[in-house]
Amino acid sequence: SYVLTQPPSVSVAPGQTARITCGGNNIGSKSVHWYQQKPGQAPVLVVYDDSDRPSGIPERFSGSNSGNTATLTISRVEAGDEADYYCQVWDSSSDHYVFGTGTKVTVL
Amino acid sequence: EVQLVESGGGLVQPGGSLRLSCAASGFTFSSYWMSWVRQAPGKGLEWVANIKQDGSEKYYVDSVKGRFTISRDNAKNSLYLQMNSLRAEDTAVYYCARESSVGDYFDYWGQGTLVTVSS
Repeated sequence: SYVLTQPPSVSVAPGQTARITCGGNNIGSKSVHWYQQKPGQAPVLVVYDDSDRPSGIPERFSGSNSGNTATLTISRVEAGDEADYYCQVWDSSSDHYVFGTGTKVTVL
Repeated sequence: EVQLVESGGGLVQPGGSLRLSCAASGFTFSSYWMSWVRQAPGKGLEWVANIKQDGSEKYYVDSVKGRFTISRDNAKNSLYLQMNSLRAEDTAVYYCARESSVGDYFDYWGQGTLVTVSS
């Protein structure tokens, strides 16, 4: 089955840039989506189709995808960005949705 | 406003059964694929199952095949998950999620319902 690997944690100072990676075999050939999940809350879609943002999501959230790595970038990080972030793809070989292992973003 | 409200969670003994429900509103329920996604305590997200608009296609993660059944009632705008032969490892918050009509991602989620499998 398809595996998506994320770093367990990323720490960033307010105002700086956080980059969260999502590794998978030839992930660049797939569409990657990203979710933010705050404690006790349901996940929220923050980036879809590699780099598009749903309405209401700040421009500070952006994404890219190439080769074996997709990246979610959070610019000008704020305290409210502290959360768990998950990447997700559709694995057509198994007809399954696959989530990454998740990354906890801590704002210092 | 799109709303997804899960119910039916609770404490159940190993080997027992439970039926989860998800009440949908604010959109044309019959036009969307729907999924169940779960999250074990302190762990990541795991897709469990999904169902086509008319219920004619259903897919499951291997760990629940033969034990869980996803279904829907479009007349009642409701999604269901029948869970049988429950195991301790099925303990999780179960989320109902709407699949986007234009891509392979989840654009709306419910708040989740907790299922605890324990003796």
